[in-house]
Amino acid sequence: DAGVTQSPTHLIKTRGQQVTLRCSPISGHKSVSWYQQVLGQGPQFIFQYYEKEERGRGNFPDRFSARQFPNYSSELNVNALLLGDSALYLCASGAGWSTDTQYFGPGTRLTVL
Amino acid sequence: GENVEQHPSTLSVQEGDSAVIKCTYSDSASNYFPWYKQELGKRPQLIIDIRSNVGEKKDQRIAVTLNKTAKHFSLHITETQPEDSAVYFCAASTNAGKSTFGDGTTLTVKP
Repeated sequence: DAGVTQSPTHLIKTRGQQVTLRCSPISGHKSVSWYQQVLGQGPQFIFQYYEKEERGRGNFPDRFSARQFPNYSSELNVNALLLGDSALYLCASGAGWSTDTQYFGPGTRLTVL
Repeated sequence: GENVEQHPSTLSVQEGDSAVIKCTYSDSASNYFPWYKQELGKRPQLIIDIRSNVGEKKDQRIAVTLNKTAKHFSLHITETQPEDSAVYFCAASTNAGKSTFGDGTTLTVKP
């Protein structure tokens, strides 16, 4: 679990801007999932990628997109930021996909002003 | 879509007592049920998980039970310690690669 890294740690943006968040999974893991965690709530599933293909998608608008690279790292992009996008964005990696055990990264705290 | 309800939202126990947190899920396709502990400002940490072909699993002071018929699973912590104080989340996952989390239980263990 300590092997999942995310950058940046904190980010401040204004409404309407675009943001890119990055995640590097544990070495050997091929799956990356993205979650949004609003204060006081559980993580909400956004995407899962495995072997560079999208394998699952949560109920988020098309402003949210992601991709996975050949080295299994991943980026989450959010366009046209809204105040409500302010949250902790968590990345989780797993060896396989679907119901494989996931390990979370430290998260990126996004604040939209 | 999947809906996971978690109860109670807050739980306060005396050190040494047991704590039980319950979750129900709606999607019968869910077949993997992890539990996470999240301390303030930190990432969720997996503490125990169970798959749908198993009814109970134990790891020292922590146990999880699953009732697939009732779509219900529970976390049991025995001999609680102050360091067990945290927010606990349950989750339900399907083979479609989607995980749904409960809203969390804030556990406080009083010394």
